[in-house]
Amino acid sequence: QVQLVQSGAEVRKPGASVKVSCETSGFTFTSYYMHWVRQAPGQGLEWVGLIGPGGGRTTYAQKFQGRVTMTADTSTSTLYMELSSLRSEDAAVYYCAKSRNEHCTAGDCYGGLDVWGQGTTVIVSS
Amino acid sequence: DIQMTQSPSTLSASVGDRVTITCRASQNINTWLAWYQQRPGRAPNLLIRKASTLESGAPSRFSGSGSGTEFTLTISSLQPDDFATYYCQQYHSSSRTFGQGTKVEIK
Repeated sequence: QVQLVQSGAEVRKPGASVKVSCETSGFTFTSYYMHWVRQAPGQGLEWVGLIGPGGGRTTYAQKFQGRVTMTADTSTSTLYMELSSLRSEDAAVYYCAKSRNEHCTAGDCYGGLDVWGQGTTVIVSS
Repeated sequence: DIQMTQSPSTLSASVGDRVTITCRASQNINTWLAWYQQRPGRAPNLLIRKASTLESGAPSRFSGSGSGTEFTLTISSLQPDDFATYYCQQYHSSSRTFGQGTKVEIK
């Protein structure tokens, strides 16, 4: 079955970077867009960005431009999200999610997020 | 970015009630809207996509409607498993956005 398994919790100091992984299985990794979504404690869902099939292209939420990098390793079907210059407000659970391909245009495919990882907790504390 | 606004933020209801949650988009998103359910400590779960298409495995008491800028999620008869937080998300633009969430509580 389709599975997304994320790396374990991380603790970082302010100003440091963190890299979260998302190992995928059960589907053709190079056929789907993948997204990252975060959720601060007690808060709602916040879209961070997406990466195209096999790492072909990325789109980041404006808020994270310059601080986030999403990559993919097609040999292991694994995604990575690195966030730099961490501040206390970045403390959150970070989720990876697979997108359905409902409609594709202009180099992007759009759809609901039908499979999610279990989440990775990132703690930012001095 | 397209702003998504849900109402209400919190809803108190009883088992068996019919419940409706509204989501408004700041611009026309056609029907490119999804609804998710999230239980505490769990990842979100896709319920509805393309505004009204029930995701495989989602109970038939959930339904979605709307197009353009106004959308609704309806639970026809609230069950104990349905007490959770619900989010809408637009996927019309390259920068996706979520609503702020609606928590459905036990009355």
